[in-house]
Amino acid sequence: SYVLTQPPSVSVAPGQTARITCGGNNIGSKSVHWYQQKPGQAPVLVVYDDSDRPSGIPERFSGSNSGNTATLTISRVEAGDEADYYCQVWDSSSDHSFVFGTGTKVTVL
Amino acid sequence: QLQLQESGPGLVKPSETLSLTCTVSGGSISSSSYYWGWIRQPPGKGLEWIGSIYYSGSTYYNPSLKSRVTISVDTSKNQFSLKLSSVTAADTAVYYCARLELHQLLLDYWGQGTLVTVSS
Repeated sequence: SYVLTQPPSVSVAPGQTARITCGGNNIGSKSVHWYQQKPGQAPVLVVYDDSDRPSGIPERFSGSNSGNTATLTISRVEAGDEADYYCQVWDSSSDHSFVFGTGTKVTVL
Repeated sequence: QLQLQESGPGLVKPSETLSLTCTVSGGSISSSSYYWGWIRQPPGKGLEWIGSIYYSGSTYYNPSLKSRVTISVDTSKNQFSLKLSSVTAADTAVYYCARLELHQLLLDYWGQGTLVTVSS
């Protein structure tokens, strides 16, 4: 089965840039989506198709995807960005499965 | 505005069957553009996809859970349901229902989630 690996945690000071990686075999050939999950809440889509933003998501959230790594970048980090972040792909080779990354806790210092 | 709401018992005994229903409001479950899915999250852990269903009844399941999972749909009630058999403590989790957008294969609307605890 397809595996997506994320760092368990990322710490960043307010106003700085947070980068969250999502590693997978040839992930650059897939569309990657990113979800933000705050404590006690359902996940919310923040980036889709590698780098597009849903309506209402700040421009501070951006994404890229190439080779074996996809990256979610949060610019000018705010306290409200503190959350867990998950990458997700669709793996058509594995019984058509949704695959989530292991998740990254972003802490704003 | 589309809304999804999970319902069902919050406590299930080991070896029994977990049953949950997701009620969709503000939109039709019979739309050709979407699947409908279940995702779970054990306490303090990450997200795990359980499976998805189309309004026609076509399903996809997580291979690791396939032998124990059944997802069904009732278009007349705008609902879809999850059954997970032979549960153990490892099945204790928050269970979410969500809408799966078919073009980009992402989850664009989620329910609030419901905690199911497996314990005697």
